[in-house]
Amino acid sequence: GQNIDQPTEMTATEGAIVQINCTYQTSGFNGLFWYQQHAGEAPTFLSYNVLDGLEEKGRFSSFLSRSKGYSYLLLKELQMKDSASYLCAVRDSTSGTYKYIFGTGTRLKVLA
Amino acid sequence: EAQVTQNPRYLITVTGKKLTVTCSQNMNHEYMSWYRQDPGLGLRQIYYSMNVEVTDKGDVPEGYKVSRKEKRNFPLILESPSPNQTSLYFCASSLAAEPYSYEQYFGPGTRLTVT
Repeated sequence: GQNIDQPTEMTATEGAIVQINCTYQTSGFNGLFWYQQHAGEAPTFLSYNVLDGLEEKGRFSSFLSRSKGYSYLLLKELQMKDSASYLCAVRDSTSGTYKYIFGTGTRLKVLA
Repeated sequence: EAQVTQNPRYLITVTGKKLTVTCSQNMNHEYMSWYRQDPGLGLRQIYYSMNVEVTDKGDVPEGYKVSRKEKRNFPLILESPSPNQTSLYFCASSLAAEPYSYEQYFGPGTRLTVT
């Protein structure tokens, strides 16, 4: 079947580094996305991985290991505005079309 | 401004009264999708469309219908809403569903309550 797991909640301090893990199981892996969602708002795109390795975008980096079904999102120099939910999503092509499966999200609290 | 719009943003209705939530995008995107978001369950895909006249079921299609007659519009229809369809609904679009890094752009959400 298809499944995505990520921690429900994490807490970190302003200025610190936090790593949010995501593990997935899917037979038709076709890319992994990370989205940020502030409370009451729509998700917004953060990063994309389809090949193994690290993708860096400013304070945000995302890593993928396809053989392990594992990804992480790394947030550096945390700011208060980074308090949000972070959603891991896999694009799956098992059916010959492209479906998206989302994890339940990790709620990150950044403390002063 | 490039955007995905949804209407209405908030809706309270009664069981069995048919309703339609509209979704429109102005970015000439091929791929469009509907999700529902529930506490503890995350975003779940209801239906998606790879292009005009092409729609497919997501993980939770029961009780919903969609159509894609034009590229820009992708309405979500609830023929006979029930209380278990009370949720926050998001429409999303992306340039294509090909294996490229085409992220999805989400609409602002529609909060639906069925009593």
